[in-house]
Amino acid sequence: DVVMTQSPLSLPVTLGQPASISCRSSQSLVHSDGNTYLNWFQQRPGQSPRRLIYKVSNRDSGVPDRFSGSGSGTDFTLKISRVEAEDVGVYYCMQGTHWPTWTFGQGTKVEIK
Amino acid sequence: QVQLVQAGGEVKQPGASVKVSCKASGYTFTSYALHWVRQAPGQRLEWMGWINAGNGNTKYSQKFQGRVTITRDTSASTAYMELSSLRSEDTAVYYCAGDDILTGYLAYWGQGTLVTVSS
Repeated sequence: DVVMTQSPLSLPVTLGQPASISCRSSQSLVHSDGNTYLNWFQQRPGQSPRRLIYKVSNRDSGVPDRFSGSGSGTDFTLKISRVEAEDVGVYYCMQGTHWPTWTFGQGTKVEIK
Repeated sequence: QVQLVQAGGEVKQPGASVKVSCKASGYTFTSYALHWVRQAPGQRLEWMGWINAGNGNTKYSQKFQGRVTITRDTSASTAYMELSSLRSEDTAVYYCAGDDILTGYLAYWGQGTLVTVSS
């Protein structure tokens, strides 16, 4: 199975400052159809996960533009340009390239300093 | 808009089975796939399995193979996840999540169902 590894696992950030989360896969996530099925999810405390980014860099509807995704192959990054209080939560990357098995990273907890 | 509504929590004894439901609305149920993902207390999200709501084909994580069964009732626009031989480590919130035909995997999520396994 593909292993997804995130870093850091904990990320204290000052309000208004940027934040960056790394996600690495044990195999390339480039699918034979040319797409890269790497998603990012946000899980606020006590809530269900919410998808933020699909196929590496596409923001879902309603997601603020301070969130951006980038990367290729096995290395991917989620960036928050200016952290706001509502961004507190756990962020997960997930691969769907090697379906029909989907794999999540361990999660990165973002908190305010 | 797309909604996935899950039933309330369950308490089960070790060795028993649980069947969790996920009712979909706001789209054509048979057009998309549905996934089941669980989260034990303080743990990461864990993908359990998937059903093609159109033809009923399923695929399960190796970890749960033999213990999990995912089904659907197209007349009720509802998917089900049944987990058998429950043990305390199966205490978790179980989520259903639906794909979107344009944007792909796990675009929509239910509110989760807490399953507690305790004697």
